[in-house]
Amino acid sequence: AQSVTQPDIHITVSEGASLELRCNYSYGATPYLFWYVQSPGQGLQLLLKYFSGDTLVQGIKGFEAEFKRSQSSFNLRKPSVHWSDAAEYFCAVGLSGSARQLTFGSGTQLTVLP
Amino acid sequence: EADIYQTPRYLVIGTGKKITLECSQTMGHDKMYWYQQDPGMELHLIHYSYGVNSTEKGDLSSESTVSRIRTEHFPLTLESARPSHTSQYLCASTPRGGNGYTFGSGTRLTVV
Repeated sequence: AQSVTQPDIHITVSEGASLELRCNYSYGATPYLFWYVQSPGQGLQLLLKYFSGDTLVQGIKGFEAEFKRSQSSFNLRKPSVHWSDAAEYFCAVGLSGSARQLTFGSGTQLTVLP
Repeated sequence: EADIYQTPRYLVIGTGKKITLECSQTMGHDKMYWYQQDPGMELHLIHYSYGVNSTEKGDLSSESTVSRIRTEHFPLTLESARPSHTSQYLCASTPRGGNGYTFGSGTRLTVV
């Protein structure tokens, strides 16, 4: 069965600093990969997704993620964090085939210091 | 602007009560999902539907039931709520062949 690991439960960065959130997955084939963000009291919003092709994908709000097959990773990055980026971030793995179900990591809570 | 709506946003209810969590989407998506999320924990799929009159149980066993009589509507029902059902419930949808999910804002359920 597929699994997703987000090793950092909580990360704190200063505004303007760079950010990298880690995501590792376990799956037999190349999965579909997603990053979602959840602001307090809100639903999940899709930041970016990877299906195939270029391993560096650009998303909304200035985020990008890089798929590294050799490391089974899909880390999320942002060069300069804004206070409004404080939220919880979820990495997810999509099953191939018709099921299209997602397995989510446990999330990383991001705090941004002024 | 949300295209998938969940009501209520918050619900506190006594043990043994029957409750229905509503989820509606206006995008014409075929596939809809219910996820359960405990604080600080990952999301677990509890129900999904690929279209009208199609419902399946997800990875996480749940005492809740769902129905899909109309494309846009995917309600979740608990016949007899218990404190162990206290959690956040997120509804999502995706079009046929699509891999981007749209999530609702969630219902935070507390059973006392």
